Amino acid sequence: GAVVSQHPSRVICKSGTSVKIECRSLDFQATTMFWYRQFPKKSLMLMATSNEGSKATYEQGVEKDKFLINHASLTLSTLTVTSAHPEDSSFYICSARGGDRDNSPLHFGNGTRLTVT
Amino acid sequence: AQSVTQLDSQVPVFEEAPVELRCNYSSSVSVYLFWYVQYPNQGLQLLLKYLSGSTLVESINGFEAEFNKSQTSFHLRKPSVHISDTAEYFCAVSDDTGFQKLVFGTGTRLLVSP
Repeated sequence: GAVVSQHPSRVICKSGTSVKIECRSLDFQATTMFWYRQFPKKSLMLMATSNEGSKATYEQGVEKDKFLINHASLTLSTLTVTSAHPEDSSFYICSARGGDRDNSPLHFGNGTRLTVT
Repeated sequence: AQSVTQLDSQVPVFEEAPVELRCNYSSSVSVYLFWYVQYPNQGLQLLLKYLSGSTLVESINGFEAEFNKSQTSFHLRKPSVHISDTAEYFCAVSDDTGFQKLVFGTGTRLLVSP
């Protein structure tokens, strides 16, 4: 089946530094990927939709300058948390649509636990 | 816009007992409905989905969910749970134009004890 690989699985960084998270579709091409943020005991919140070769579409309330998304190829999207602060600590999950059709299923990565100290 | 309500944040149950995890949704248009399972520090895995057709959908590991349009519900059930079913379960909805955006509920933690 389709696999989405997310790296790193855990990262600890100091306040003020930037962190890059990668999301790769391993055996399929994904023109669209989605980035979610999950708070403890909360649901997943869609942050942005990443489109290959074009700018990402951010959800209301998500700072595009803080959460930089790059979807440079059909198999890779990256999320960079810039100038991270402790309140950015969270679980970030990406997903990729496994096909070109709008009703193609979503495949999720295993998530990245970001801790900002 | 769609929304999902999972009223139970945690459901404790003994092994081999039946369980129901409740999910209600709100939408002004036709929807697709999903249940995802999340194990600790992992991403989400699709458990089952309703797109159209039979209102009762089943997963390969014994879970089933029934779409009830009149009650706007999509409750998840399993007649006999295992310890390994302990996980977080999320109900999600999207409009029927595609899977562009999934709106998730807040999740229900299923705790199965021996």
